[in-house]
Amino acid sequence: KNQVEQSPQSLIILEGKNCTLQCNYTVSPFSNLRWYKQDTGRGPVSLTIMTFSENTKSNGRYTATLDADTKQSSLHITASQLSDSASYICVVSDSGGYNKLIFGAGTRLAVHP
Amino acid sequence: DAGVTQSPTHLIKTRGQQVTLRCSPKSGHDTVSWYQQALGQGPQFIFQYYEEEERQRGNFPDRFSGHQFPNYSSELNVNALLLGDSALYLCASSLGRDDFGYTFGSGTRLTVV
Repeated sequence: KNQVEQSPQSLIILEGKNCTLQCNYTVSPFSNLRWYKQDTGRGPVSLTIMTFSENTKSNGRYTATLDADTKQSSLHITASQLSDSASYICVVSDSGGYNKLIFGAGTRLAVHP
Repeated sequence: DAGVTQSPTHLIKTRGQQVTLRCSPKSGHDTVSWYQQALGQGPQFIFQYYEEEERQRGNFPDRFSGHQFPNYSSELNVNALLLGDSALYLCASSLGRDDFGYTFGSGTRLTVV
């Protein structure tokens, strides 16, 4: 069964600190992996997208890594800001159909002053 | 350039009623996908429409149906509403089989009482 699992479920950090979120997946065949940021009650917004051949991608203070061999990804947030408080969702696209996206449950991040 | 727009933003319905949610894709996109997101969970794939036809479907009952119009906009219909149908319904658009441009709307919050 195609699954995406994220950890931790929730995280609290102080403003200015760094943090790393984890994602493990069992999706096959694999097309790409993306990280989304979702504010409460809003639609997800794409942060990074990585294909099989890419092992790192950055978007400002967000850096995602991908290990396709172990089927693991991480999202590192540097110098966190209050506006980083949101859910971060790992999403894997399978290439077996019409690029159906398979979502993790997300990590809820709270940045405190 | 308008992104994905969904209407209404919020909706309250009674058990047993029927509801229709609407989505206008991002300009230039021709594929619309619908997702259901329960509170604290990741989005779950309902179905995808392309060229006015449903071409892929997730594990949702037949109470969930949809339609795509010639202008690529789409509707999601849910019949015989259950309390468990309360969720954020997300629409995402893309172009053909290219999922790199996948863009989400802000969602419709449906509450069934």
